[in-house]
Amino acid sequence: DAKTTQPPSMDCAEGRAANLPCNHSTISGNEYVYWYRQIHSQGPQYIIHGLKNNETNEMASLIITEDRKSSTLILPHATLRDTAVYYCIAGGGTSYGKLTFGQGTILTVHP
Amino acid sequence: DTGVSQNPRHKITKRGQNVTFRCDPISEHNRLYWYRQTLGQGPEFLTYFQNEAQLEKSRLLSDRFSAERPKGSFSTLEIQRTEQGDSAMYLCASRQTGAHEQYFGPGTRLTVT
Repeated sequence: DAKTTQPPSMDCAEGRAANLPCNHSTISGNEYVYWYRQIHSQGPQYIIHGLKNNETNEMASLIITEDRKSSTLILPHATLRDTAVYYCIAGGGTSYGKLTFGQGTILTVHP
Repeated sequence: DTGVSQNPRHKITKRGQNVTFRCDPISEHNRLYWYRQTLGQGPEFLTYFQNEAQLEKSRLLSDRFSAERPKGSFSTLEIQRTEQGDSAMYLCASRQTGAHEQYFGPGTRLTVT
């Protein structure tokens, strides 16, 4: 799996958009970008994934650069419950599915 | 769909004892994963099952660790002769064939004294 780099921490005001960057410059052509988050003392929670195109679901949007070397997870209207560690993972799709987590970004949403 | 469940949620044991954890995946998910997470770190992959077949084991899974999924449903992770370095959160996840998302359980927190 490709290595990913994320800032260790970020802050966001409640109600504002949270934009979490991730660098995955060594990603290979068949590797997907996944985002998971982990709220304190819980198991990780899947957020979104993408291969080349931008993706949106009820939780977030994923913007992947054209060269696929970086991506941004966008939480459009952050709430206090979005405070968590966010992990960006570049990996192998549905055939196998092992996830290689880094240290992630601690997102703190302030009132 | 009740999600992935893990038991026990917490386990305190003395060094040298054996412990066993159980994971019940989402019922139609045939892929099952075990991860370990230490404080301040992201989860680390331990092993993977497709149905009852164990298809990969991490180098982290020493010979004191064994995992089974006897009927392709629930799975157990056993640690023999526990060491203080085994203290961690042990996470189980399951996935449906063809899907991308893994669903994680709440984890079992092991403390070895």
